[in-house]
Amino acid sequence: QGHLVESGGGVVQPERSLRLSCAASGFTFTKYGMHWVRQAPGKGLEWVAVIASQGRTTYYADSVKGRFTISRDNSQNTLYLQMNSLRGEDTAVYYCAKEGSTSVWSFDYWGQGTLVTVSS
Amino acid sequence: EIVLTQSPATLSLSPGERATLSCRASQSVSSYLAWYQQKPGQAPRLLIYDASNRATGIPARFSGSGSGTDFTLTISSLEPDDFAVYYCQHRKNWPPDATFGQGTRLEIK
Repeated sequence: QGHLVESGGGVVQPERSLRLSCAASGFTFTKYGMHWVRQAPGKGLEWVAVIASQGRTTYYADSVKGRFTISRDNSQNTLYLQMNSLRGEDTAVYYCAKEGSTSVWSFDYWGQGTLVTVSS
Repeated sequence: EIVLTQSPATLSLSPGERATLSCRASQSVSSYLAWYQQKPGQAPRLLIYDASNRATGIPARFSGSGSGTDFTLTISSLEPDDFAVYYCQHRKNWPPDATFGQGTRLEIK
């Protein structure tokens, strides 16, 4: 049974940086693409970024392109999201999510989320 | 860019009733459509993948149907635990981004 645990959230001032981590266990981390999805308070789900299983391919939502960087350390079964130049609209719960084992077009495991608040 | 539109925004039903939730895509997504359930303070949970396949551990009262642009999530007989927000989602090969619908809130009548 897969398990994902995010960490690194907190309160940060606008234009500052923050790095989120997602520790994975219970599945073969190196086989799956991994994603970050966020949810602003009281709002719906917004996809943020994806990284392929070996880390060679990444892709970002337009809203974070050029400011956020997704990466992974397969030796440590850990996913990261480096967030720079943070804005108020980046305030959200950030979830890491795993591509499905049966269908890569869905997300079968999600972490519990970590809250990022951007405020002066 | 594919847009997913869910309806209704809110659905008020009683336990035991049948719930029908809709998700419409702005262009064909074939069968690459998933459904999630989210309760307050919790992460989303995968219910249905590839339009009609139940995820592991999901009760049989949940079913998905549709292809192309029109999809439906049906809960045959609502249990108290089913009242939550439901999202549809699509992903494709390239670009490898994902799109979510805006959600349907299923509330107790």
